[in-house]
Amino acid sequence: DVKVTQSSRYLVKRTGEKVFLECVQDMDHENMFWYRQDPGLGLRLIYFSYDVKMKEKGDIPEGYSVSREKKERFSLILESASTNQTSMYLCASRARIAGQGRDTIYFGEGSWLTVV
Amino acid sequence: AQKITQTQPGMFVQEKEAVTLDCTYDTSDPSYGLFWYKQPSSGEMIFLIYQGSYDQQNATEGRYSLNFQKARKSANLVISASQLGDSAMYFCAMRSLFSGGYNKLIFGAGTRLAVHP
Repeated sequence: DVKVTQSSRYLVKRTGEKVFLECVQDMDHENMFWYRQDPGLGLRLIYFSYDVKMKEKGDIPEGYSVSREKKERFSLILESASTNQTSMYLCASRARIAGQGRDTIYFGEGSWLTVV
Repeated sequence: AQKITQTQPGMFVQEKEAVTLDCTYDTSDPSYGLFWYKQPSSGEMIFLIYQGSYDQQNATEGRYSLNFQKARKSANLVISASQLGDSAMYFCAMRSLFSGGYNKLIFGAGTRLAVHP
């Protein structure tokens, strides 16, 4: 089974703190993603990475950065956490299979971040 | 711009009955894929079913089927013989199959399904 593991399920951080959310996948997938989930808004893409050291902005990258130094690990960084970043964060990974749209994106269990 | 609309914030169904969760989408891309995910209270997103825009038949996966009406741009999920374990949040999502949008999965706001005994 594909396993996407997020290091922290629940975090409480103070405004202005630097926050790291870690994600590891064990299937040698090229593509990894960070989404945030808010009630009534569904999931919104923050950043994705298509290879080691390669990244692209998603729909809501402001206030976030990412790091992908190893293929299996994709980190989301909040340089200076703010209360409007209180949310559920979901990491995902996908194998790159050319020409097949049905390749599945696998998600982790989510990290609930509260910024006070 | 691409968009997914799920108009039902919540749905109730009696155990063993069928239920339809609505999803409409908007895209100008001729080639795209549609997904349904289930999110139980534990938080993980579970892939349920996929429909490609050029697939001739509606997708089915066990008790899940996708009622795909391309002209209406709708991709409703049908769950037959509902079970208590089906109670969860359900998300419809879409991805363009052009290279520019290939990595981007657009999600709807979700529908919360409650199955009653």
